[in-house]
Amino acid sequence: QLQLQESGPGLVKPSQTLSLTCSVSGDSIMSGDNYWSWIRQPPGKGPEWIGSLYQSGTTNYNPSLKSRVTISVDTSKNEFSLRLTSVTAADTAVYYCAREGSTRLGYCSITKCQFFDYWGQGTLVTVSS
Amino acid sequence: EIVMTQSPATLSVSPGERATLSCRASQSVSTKLVWYHQKPGQAPRLLIYGASTRATGIPARFSGSGSGTEFTLTISSLQSEDFAVYYCQQYHNWPRTFGQGTKVEIK
Repeated sequence: QLQLQESGPGLVKPSQTLSLTCSVSGDSIMSGDNYWSWIRQPPGKGPEWIGSLYQSGTTNYNPSLKSRVTISVDTSKNEFSLRLTSVTAADTAVYYCAREGSTRLGYCSITKCQFFDYWGQGTLVTVSS
Repeated sequence: EIVMTQSPATLSVSPGERATLSCRASQSVSTKLVWYHQKPGQAPRLLIYGASTRATGIPARFSGSGSGTEFTLTISSLQSEDFAVYYCQQYHNWPRTFGQGTKVEIK
């Protein structure tokens, strides 16, 4: 069973850098047709996709955060990381790491179906001095 | 960016009744639409992908329909464990975008 677990500081000061790591167990981060993603959810709001990393090293970032975000992978540790610079109070949220899996079975044989099927438990990061 | 709009914001339903949730995309996403539900303190859980395919282990009382810009999630007979917040999400384009959610509460 695939499991993801976020780790990192729960409190970050304004203007500093938020750094989180997602440890993946139960499968290799380099296997399958998967994107490894970061998603955040401000208190009382819907999820916001931050960015995703493919096994090839290709990354996609939310344009609203692109200038501040880096997602990287450490294959030796089977983990991937998020770095968000110059944080403000607006970056306070529960941060999730997730796998965007895919299938081409059944109806999805026509167009690949993709979905966030495995999520970490989430970690609250508060930006405050 | 494709904007996903869900309605209503809150739906009050009695156990055993049917619930119908709507999701609209600002441009066509074909059938590249996913539904999740989320309970307090938990991560979202995958329900439906490809607009209408139930994920593994999801009961048949959950059904999804729609294509293009208009989508519906129907819960045929609400059980106690179904009271939660429901989100739609498109994977037609980057960035992936979510709706703001529909809270299904006990009437």
